[in-house]
Amino acid sequence: GAVVSQHPSWVICKSGTSVKIECRSLDFQATTMFWYRQFPKQSLMLMATSNEGSKATYEQGVEKDKFLINHASLTLSTLTVTSAHPEDSSFYICSAGRQGPKTEQFFGPGTRLTVL
Amino acid sequence: GQNIDQPTEMTATEGAIVQINCTYQTSGFNGLFWYQQHAGEAPTFLSYNVLDGLEEKGRFSSFLSRSKGYSYLLLKELQMKDSASYLCGARTTAGNKLTFGGGTRVLVKP
Repeated sequence: GAVVSQHPSWVICKSGTSVKIECRSLDFQATTMFWYRQFPKQSLMLMATSNEGSKATYEQGVEKDKFLINHASLTLSTLTVTSAHPEDSSFYICSAGRQGPKTEQFFGPGTRLTVL
Repeated sequence: GQNIDQPTEMTATEGAIVQINCTYQTSGFNGLFWYQQHAGEAPTFLSYNVLDGLEEKGRFSSFLSRSKGYSYLLLKELQMKDSASYLCGARTTAGNKLTFGGGTRVLVKP
């Protein structure tokens, strides 16, 4: 299967700071990547669709100015949590898929963010 | 909008069979996915259905009925390592977005 990486795997930051999370497709190109958030013992909540070369599409209720997404190349998307607060502490997971009708989404290993 | 429902938790005995049901209501349906997720790890792909019927892959099988908005994941010959959360996800044609239900935690007991 395809490989998707995320960096960092975990991060602890102070309230008010910004945190950038990278998502990379290592062996394929992805024009679209997806960002999810997962709270403990809950399912994945889709936050936004990251589109290479254009603006991200955010799901209802997700603040675009809070969660900045940049998809500058076909293998890299970044999510920046701006002015992080303790309620932003969560597991952030990205996914990407190859082109094609049966394409499955491959998930990155996730980034655990803890805001103090 | 989309609505995907699956049971919160199920318990089964090692060696037994468990069926996880999933109902969905989504516009522009374009495929039903099942993923397995162990605690603290990323989800891993299990199966994909876009046409009605049963897809079998080893100990795991998945079924889809588009007219009923219904799918199930069947796990046979349960092993302790199958204890995990199982996520039902529906994909839409608009943007190829994959949206998940709440997940079903399966606990396999000896």
